[in-house]
Amino acid sequence: GDSVTQMEGPVTLSEEAFLTINCTYTATGYPSLFWYVQYPGEGLQLLLKATKADDKGSNKGFEATYRKETTSFHLEKGSVQVSDSAVYFCALRARYKLIFGSGTRLLVRP
Amino acid sequence: EAGVAQSPRYKIIEKRQSVAFWCNPISGHATLYWYQQILGQGPKLLIQFQNNGVVDDSQLPKDRFSAERLKGVDSTLKIQPAKLEDSAVYLCASSSLVAGGPDTQYFGPGTRLTVL
Repeated sequence: GDSVTQMEGPVTLSEEAFLTINCTYTATGYPSLFWYVQYPGEGLQLLLKATKADDKGSNKGFEATYRKETTSFHLEKGSVQVSDSAVYFCALRARYKLIFGSGTRLLVRP
Repeated sequence: EAGVAQSPRYKIIEKRQSVAFWCNPISGHATLYWYQQILGQGPKLLIQFQNNGVVDDSQLPKDRFSAERLKGVDSTLKIQPAKLEDSAVYLCASSSLVAGGPDTQYFGPGTRLTVL
């Protein structure tokens, strides 16, 4: 069945470091791909999305490129801030259903 | 624009008791979702409504969970009786074919349930 695999956390970085959170997926067809973020005490928020191969989603300095050949959608940011500390979820939309990875906690130290 | 509202935010109950959660989606959003998020895992879809009809409830444990969306607006999720393994955050989300498209689901803050 359809699934999403994310790198395990926590990922701990110093402020201004480069961030990569790996995400790979298994799906039939051509799903849409998403990154959601969950800040402490808050609900999930859509961070970015891509709907077809080679699309790049971007928002708030974060980017991810839909790579069909490697079935990946890795999240990157060039310079993280303390305020980026949160849990990040990769997800795919197969037909009408969102399927989430297990989440990766990011801790950014000043 | 108001977001998805959920209540209560926290609930602690004993096993075998009943509990109900309420969700009010973003105004005009026809599609409503209930997810279960167990600690350390990603959210898992329990049930999806389109207006007041059920689109998918294949992952809903129907022997103890029930959900309704009367009048196609707000929704209630009930657990009766609760088990220890039901301890989780219950998330409600909504989406619209118009605003943001069906791909974009907007989530509420969730209800954290602890079953003792």
